[in-house]
Amino acid sequence: RKEVEQDPGPFNVPEGATVAFNCTYSNSASQSFFWYRQDCRKEPKLLMSVYSSGNEDGRFTAQLNRASQYISLLIRDSKLSDSATYLCVVNTGFQKLVFGTGTRLLVSP
Amino acid sequence: DAMVIQNPRYQVTQFGKPVTLSCSQTLNHNVMYWYQQKSSQAPKLLFHYYDKDFNNEADTPDNFQSRRPNTSFCFLDIRSPGLGDAAMYLCATSREPLAGNTDTQYFGPGTRLTVL
Repeated sequence: RKEVEQDPGPFNVPEGATVAFNCTYSNSASQSFFWYRQDCRKEPKLLMSVYSSGNEDGRFTAQLNRASQYISLLIRDSKLSDSATYLCVVNTGFQKLVFGTGTRLLVSP
Repeated sequence: DAMVIQNPRYQVTQFGKPVTLSCSQTLNHNVMYWYQQKSSQAPKLLFHYYDKDFNNEADTPDNFQSRRPNTSFCFLDIRSPGLGDAAMYLCATSREPLAGNTDTQYFGPGTRLTVL
């Protein structure tokens, strides 16, 4: 079983739609969680950290469920510029980040 | 602006010809990482330096080596590149070894390596 698993997609949505991505992780001792965004042929960039209480940044909402070892990202009112690959990232407690393979989002006009 | 810089952005080498990729940072971070990312795959950690301490991942081939002569610079040496080593190589930094939600990594733009 992979340490971090994501649906690779692609998710094709129209502008203005709401889309949700899920991610599961296998190591119950994992300490911290992040969503990164990666544009084609570019480096990953931190989108947001994920807290147990849930957190929101504008149109983006992240949730963590430790009991189910599950992380989610919700994007409301999708924009064309949201088209990218979204990487679920977990700090497993061994001082390194483990990346999921990413979920590709395509927002169309 | 403080940042992570990688040179070159694109590197072409021949099968078996040694190649060195460069990373520098102006963030004054203690930890520097090298990742390999192949198409449609997750970034895979090769190794990292915490200050001068080198930490190799168990599954990193011996063909990959690294040097960190000072805080600002870190190099990735591929001694005998094979066709399977063609990938994007990402350098990242963090202020300290990762602990907690406030600590994360900052990535450079990557070097795309082609092996002919």
